[in-house]
Amino acid sequence: NAGVTQTPKFQVLKTGQSMTLQCAQDMNHNSMYWYRQDPGMGLRLIYYSASEGTTDKGEVPNGYNVSRLNKREFSLRLESAAPSQTSVYFCASSEGLVRSPLHFGNGTRLTVT
Amino acid sequence: QKEVEQDPGPLSVPEGAIVSLNCTYSNSAFQYFMWYRQYSRKGPELLMYTYSSGNKEDGRFTAQVDKSSKYISLFIRDSQPSDSATYLCAMSAHGFQKLVFGTGTRLLVSP
Repeated sequence: NAGVTQTPKFQVLKTGQSMTLQCAQDMNHNSMYWYRQDPGMGLRLIYYSASEGTTDKGEVPNGYNVSRLNKREFSLRLESAAPSQTSVYFCASSEGLVRSPLHFGNGTRLTVT
Repeated sequence: QKEVEQDPGPLSVPEGAIVSLNCTYSNSAFQYFMWYRQYSRKGPELLMYTYSSGNKEDGRFTAQVDKSSKYISLFIRDSQPSDSATYLCAMSAHGFQKLVFGTGTRLLVSP
């Protein structure tokens, strides 16, 4: 049982390049989330999907887009990467927005030069 | 001032010690409280989840919530070197899309 799987684990981009971070969960969870983690800032929510077919902005959505492809998969896209998007990105899932807490993947380390 | 405050540490203790990790918060509406453990280059792993106030125990871990003081604690008994990690508190008032995380306390347990 893998839980939450993120790909890739590492990525280096040049400013202006685009990429998509992939996330899949096998726990039959309804809700999925994308966070970024920066030193001294804690985890900050970028976007979330309360259930299949819905997505909403979190605290820091600028520069990102998301797609809830199906119940299992939730992707994060950077259309034109900027150095300020250098961070560690975590995907998480939960049964719902209130019923059970979040389970996280192991992250994607992104460097934008 | 941050909504959730957590001492970054590092907190260094010898093996077998009782560890106390704490978070303070300012939003009196918070009612969902969590503790996560994060090893280096890994994702956060849920340790404890508490709704509203009170204590919860799971093995060597005890979580306490004091809503009157806006203060939560995680106690680790008989600490082990494998407990060396960063511990994140997280809390929310109305659902996990509004979860607020502390910045984490780094714990080092020496053999």
